[in-house]
Amino acid sequence: GDSVTQMEGPVTLSEEAFLTINCTYTATGYPSLFWYVQYPGEGLQLLLKATKADDKGSNKGFEATYRKETTSFHLEKGSVQVSDSAVYFCALGGSSGYALNFGKGTSLLVTP
Amino acid sequence: GAVVSQHPSRVICKSGTSVKIECRSLDFQATTMFWYRQFPKQSLMLMATSNEGSKATYEQGVEKDKFLINHASLTLSTLTVTSAHPEDSSFYICSAESQGAGTKNIQYFGAGTRLSVL
Repeated sequence: GDSVTQMEGPVTLSEEAFLTINCTYTATGYPSLFWYVQYPGEGLQLLLKATKADDKGSNKGFEATYRKETTSFHLEKGSVQVSDSAVYFCALGGSSGYALNFGKGTSLLVTP
Repeated sequence: GAVVSQHPSRVICKSGTSVKIECRSLDFQATTMFWYRQFPKQSLMLMATSNEGSKATYEQGVEKDKFLINHASLTLSTLTVTSAHPEDSSFYICSAESQGAGTKNIQYFGAGTRLSVL
């Protein structure tokens, strides 16, 4: 079945460092891909999405490109801030009526 | 953007009592809502898919008589944890699937409910 694999955390970075969180997937068909962010004690917020191969999703300085050839959707940010500290979830899905398939999440801690 | 309201955000109850959690889509209609459970430092585990006007579809291993789901309108789904026990203590999160233009099939999440059963 479909699945998502994320790099294990926690990831600790200094402020203004470059961030990459790896995400790869296996899927039948052509799912949409998502990154969600969860701040402590809160629900999930949609960060960005891509619906087809070569699409690039971007939001708040974060980017991810849907790579069909490598089945990847890595999350990147050029300069992280302390406020980016959260757990990031990669997910695939997007078919009507079906739940998302989440990765295990990657915890990011950004220190001043 | 689309907003999903989940209430209450935190509830503490005695063992044996029932707790109802509400999930509302505030500015869009949601034919389908989902209920997840999240254990500390873990990913989300899908419990059930809730469809307006019909019975929920439960994932394997989730007791439908213990976790009652009602999706009575296009903007409201409820999860009732019946006869709660300490092992039911967890973080419960709902999501609602949008069908709006530009947001079709996007899931928007509530802020979650922290349930503690004493």
